[in-house]
Amino acid sequence: QVQLQQWGAGLLKPSETLSLTCGVYGGSFGDDYWSWIRQSPGKGLEWIGEINRSGSSNYNPSLKSRVTISVDTSKNQFSLKLSSVTAADTAVYYCVREPTLWGQGTLVTVSS
Amino acid sequence: DIVMTQTPLSLSVTPGQPASISCKSSQSLLYSDGKTYLYWYLQKPGQSPQLLIYEVSNRFSGVPDRFSGSGSGTDFTLKISRVEAEDVGVYYCMQSIQFPLTFGGGTMVDIK
Repeated sequence: QVQLQQWGAGLLKPSETLSLTCGVYGGSFGDDYWSWIRQSPGKGLEWIGEINRSGSSNYNPSLKSRVTISVDTSKNQFSLKLSSVTAADTAVYYCVREPTLWGQGTLVTVSS
Repeated sequence: DIVMTQTPLSLSVTPGQPASISCKSSQSLLYSDGKTYLYWYLQKPGQSPQLLIYEVSNRFSGVPDRFSGSGSGTDFTLKISRVEAEDVGVYYCMQSIQFPLTFGGGTMVDIK
């Protein structure tokens, strides 16, 4: 039974870089795409981007200039970096094995 | 972006009674491979979203058969044949035929 466990800093100041990592336990990357999705009261559920084990990625155009998603198959992990954060980036961030399995979520708050 | 519109915004249901949620997409979700990339999720209070239905009408592993999905093209419906107390939460539809993946605004279901 595959499980996702995510971690990273939960409190950031404006202009800093958000960094989250998701570990894949009990399975491998296979042929799936692995994504990051965030949820905020104001914007609902927002897909950030995805990556596969080969490193092929796709991003939401609205965030593309600030987002990097990477994969480390040797550690069974994939990661999200979002640069130049503002208060508008405050949200719960989820890692997801598309479309079936979501991580537990990480609340990231951006505040000075 | 494909806009996903869910109705109603909220639903209050007597246990044992049926419930129905509509999801309309701004473009057809039928892909050239013959599949329609429409999914339904339930987010229970305090939890991550969990997949209920994939590709319009296929129940995910472990999902009770009181949940069913139907529709085609741009119009889709999730039905709960007999609502139980454990079905409370917010239901979301999602499309994955086109980047970025997009979600409906959600339908909150509670028990009368």
